[in-house]
Amino acid sequence: AQKVTQAQTEISVVEKEDVTLDCVYETRDTTYYLFWYKQPPSGELVFLIRRNSFDEQNEISGRYSWNFQKSTSSFNFTITASQVVDSAVYFCALSAGTRGKLQFGAGTQVVVTP
Amino acid sequence: EAGVAQSPRYKIIEKRQSVAFWCNPISGHATLYWYQQILGQGPKLLIQFQNNGVVDDSQLPKDRFSAERLKGVDSTLKIQPAKLEDSAVYLCASSSIRAGTDPEAFFGQGTRLTVV
Repeated sequence: AQKVTQAQTEISVVEKEDVTLDCVYETRDTTYYLFWYKQPPSGELVFLIRRNSFDEQNEISGRYSWNFQKSTSSFNFTITASQVVDSAVYFCALSAGTRGKLQFGAGTQVVVTP
Repeated sequence: EAGVAQSPRYKIIEKRQSVAFWCNPISGHATLYWYQQILGQGPKLLIQFQNNGVVDDSQLPKDRFSAERLKGVDSTLKIQPAKLEDSAVYLCASSSIRAGTDPEAFFGQGTRLTVV
């Protein structure tokens, strides 16, 4: 069975602060993919990043960066220099077994105030 | 490129009534998904199609929910009869088939269903 845990319910920051979102996953599959999605108030889920289980290289894409550690089954996500437009719910998701089927965490609400 | 289109955006019905949602995926995307998102929770997959065949419907309450994807393009999701606990946002998503990787899914804006 697959499981994704996002322990943080809500994070509030002031603009320009960094925000790190935690994600812990469980799966018995050796091949899997991890995703981060953003859900702004409009409701549409927006794809941010994807990582496969064979690539633990951590990268930076603009203001986004991620830290994937198989040893601790964690896939954390950081927004650098947050902006008000980053205010949204962020979901971590796992795809394993049935290809394409996403198991989502409960989400973390990020509130960025000016 | 046009995104995933869903209609209606909002629907209010009484319990025991029936309701249908429509989804038009991104052109060329073979895989289509319906997710249910209850307020305060992450989306949960209801059914996954590849072309017009069902890949996974293990979490679809088949006594009241049904879905079809005729001709492998548009899809409809139906609830009959609706219960109060069906109040949620129903999200449609689509993805392409790409060898060697799990492609990202693109989501529509969803249909917010309220059952009273």
